[in-house]
Amino acid sequence: AQKVTQAQTEISVVEKEDVTLDCVYETRDTTYYLFWYKQPPSGELVFLIRRNSFDEQNEISGRYSWNFQKSTSSFNFTITASQVVDSAVYFCALSEAWDTGRRALTFGSGTRLQVQP
Amino acid sequence: DAGVIQSPRHEVTEMGQEVTLRCKPISGHNSLFWYRQTMMRGLELLIYFNNNVPIDDSGMPEDRFSAKMPNASFSTLKIQPSEPRDSAVYFCASRYGRDRPNTEAFFGQGTRLTVV
Repeated sequence: AQKVTQAQTEISVVEKEDVTLDCVYETRDTTYYLFWYKQPPSGELVFLIRRNSFDEQNEISGRYSWNFQKSTSSFNFTITASQVVDSAVYFCALSEAWDTGRRALTFGSGTRLQVQP
Repeated sequence: DAGVIQSPRHEVTEMGQEVTLRCKPISGHNSLFWYRQTMMRGLELLIYFNNNVPIDDSGMPEDRFSAKMPNASFSTLKIQPSEPRDSAVYFCASRYGRDRPNTEAFFGQGTRLTVV
């Protein structure tokens, strides 16, 4: 069975601080996919990034960066120079190989990030 | 594309009534998912369909819940009879997965259900 753990329930930072959201996953598959979603106060779920298990390259997109480490089963998300608009709940998710037929995403419990002005 | 469309956005109903939530996935997507979000349990998968066929309904809480996907462009989640503990936000999501298996799931805006 697959599992995603986001141990940080809530994080509060002051604007312009850097913040890292942790995600640890468990799966028996050798091929799998990892995702981050953002849920702002308005409630919708917004896709941020996906990563394949065979691609351990880190990625940077503006103020966002992701660190995928297969050896520790972690897929952490860093926001640099945080802004008030980053305040949201962030979810890490995992899905197994497409050809297994198990295509649903398993979500972590989410980390609520509050950025204070 | 308009994205995943869910209706209604909000639903308030009395205990014991039947509730039907609707979802139109993104055209061309062949997997559809129903999730429920509550404070206590977070985002939990209820059921999902591949090519209109239910694959895994182990997340459906009990027999009061049922889901159908009569065609590739429409799905319903029905609760009959509804109970106060069913109050939650229900999300529908769809995903494309033929020649690009690592795609993300796109979520609808959700239906906020309140059972009084």
